[in-house]
Amino acid sequence: GENVEQHPSTLSVQEGDSAVIKCTYSDSASNYFPWYKQELGKGPQLIIDIRSNVGEKKDQRIAVTLNKTAKHFSLHITETQPEDSAVYFCAASKNDYKLSFGAGTTVTVRA
Amino acid sequence: NAGVTQTPKFRILKIGQSMTLQCTQDMNHNYMYWYRQDPGMGLKLIYYSVGAGITDKGEVPNGYNVSRSTTEDFPLRLELAAPSQTSVYFCASSSPTIASYNEQFFGPGTRLTVL
Repeated sequence: GENVEQHPSTLSVQEGDSAVIKCTYSDSASNYFPWYKQELGKGPQLIIDIRSNVGEKKDQRIAVTLNKTAKHFSLHITETQPEDSAVYFCAASKNDYKLSFGAGTTVTVRA
Repeated sequence: NAGVTQTPKFRILKIGQSMTLQCTQDMNHNYMYWYRQDPGMGLKLIYYSVGAGITDKGEVPNGYNVSRSTTEDFPLRLELAAPSQTSVYFCASSSPTIASYNEQFFGPGTRLTVL
């Protein structure tokens, strides 16, 4: 089955700086790559996703990039704010409804 | 819309006891899922359903059972609880379309401790 690895496991950034989280996947047939954000005590929530026919996607301060050849994708958060502190999960899927999640990255934004 | 609701929020079980985790969604989603979340391990799929009357195993189904008699409800049954089932359980639902692909909507979770 699909194996998704996520790094780093924890990330501490100064408010206003950028944060980058990287994921690799094993199954070259995967074609859908969502990112979920989980705030303390809540369920994960989709923040951005990308499909294999697109190399980059942006939504305000967040962006995701995909390198199909290397089988890795990354989440970029610019101008970090305290409300960006959360656990972030990457996931991969090959054209169906079953997501394989990475282990998560705990992001802390220092004021 | 309440979205995905889960009950209970917290539960402590003794080894060997059984319980049912409830999950209900009011978005008329066909697809529903159960995940468990352990520290540093991400989310692991336990069972999923693509519609009423249809269920299938995920990555970690052992020790669990599910049923899907209606579109709205997808209960997860733990038989003979074991300490290894101590975890946070999340229910999710989705309605895959070409446009939205597979955004999954998660409930708030149930924290289960087996002692």
